[in-house]
Amino acid sequence: GNSVTQMEGPVTLSEEAFLTINCTYTATGYPSLFWYVQYPGEGLQLLLKATKADDKGSNKGFEATYRKETTSFHLEKGSVQVSDSAVYFCALRPAGNTPLVFGKGTRLSVIA
Amino acid sequence: DTAVSQTPKYLVTQMGNDKSIKCEQNLGHDTMYWYKQDSKKFLKIMFSYNNKELIINETVPNRFSPKSPDKAHLNLHINSLELGDSAVYFCASSQPGQRDTIYFGEGSWLTVV
Repeated sequence: GNSVTQMEGPVTLSEEAFLTINCTYTATGYPSLFWYVQYPGEGLQLLLKATKADDKGSNKGFEATYRKETTSFHLEKGSVQVSDSAVYFCALRPAGNTPLVFGKGTRLSVIA
Repeated sequence: DTAVSQTPKYLVTQMGNDKSIKCEQNLGHDTMYWYKQDSKKFLKIMFSYNNKELIINETVPNRFSPKSPDKAHLNLHINSLELGDSAVYFCASSQPGQRDTIYFGEGSWLTVV
């Protein structure tokens, strides 16, 4: 089946620290991969995506590279800010007209 | 303007009651969804509607009945609430040609006591 596994949280970092949130997936075919972010009190919103192997998605200083050989899509940011505190969800869309499959979410807290 | 809005945001109710959660989107999207996030934080699709027609129903108990009076609204009605229904319910919408970009509401926290 299709599934997404992401690292357990919470993750607590100091401002300007380097962030990595691991995400691996299991899917048939060639899925599209996503990172969604949920800020406190808000709905999920798309952060970045990649639709094929070796693609790099990027937005707001965050990056993730679609690695087919390791079935991974790790989220990285070189220098986090307090405003990045949120829950981050890794997700995939299997090939075809199918809904998104989400990971459990990883809570990030950035302290000043 | 809120793109996808759902009400109520918080709901505490007793077992056996019937309750509804409303959702409206002002994005002009044709497709709307209900997702459930359980206590373990898994976020799973429940239903998907396209132009008021049901296209996805993911093995959800028939106590859950979505209703779409028009393509801008997708309400979720739950009969005979059970403790296990306690969760956060997210409404979302997208455009068929842009399925990769889904817009979510803020979530409705349902607690059944």
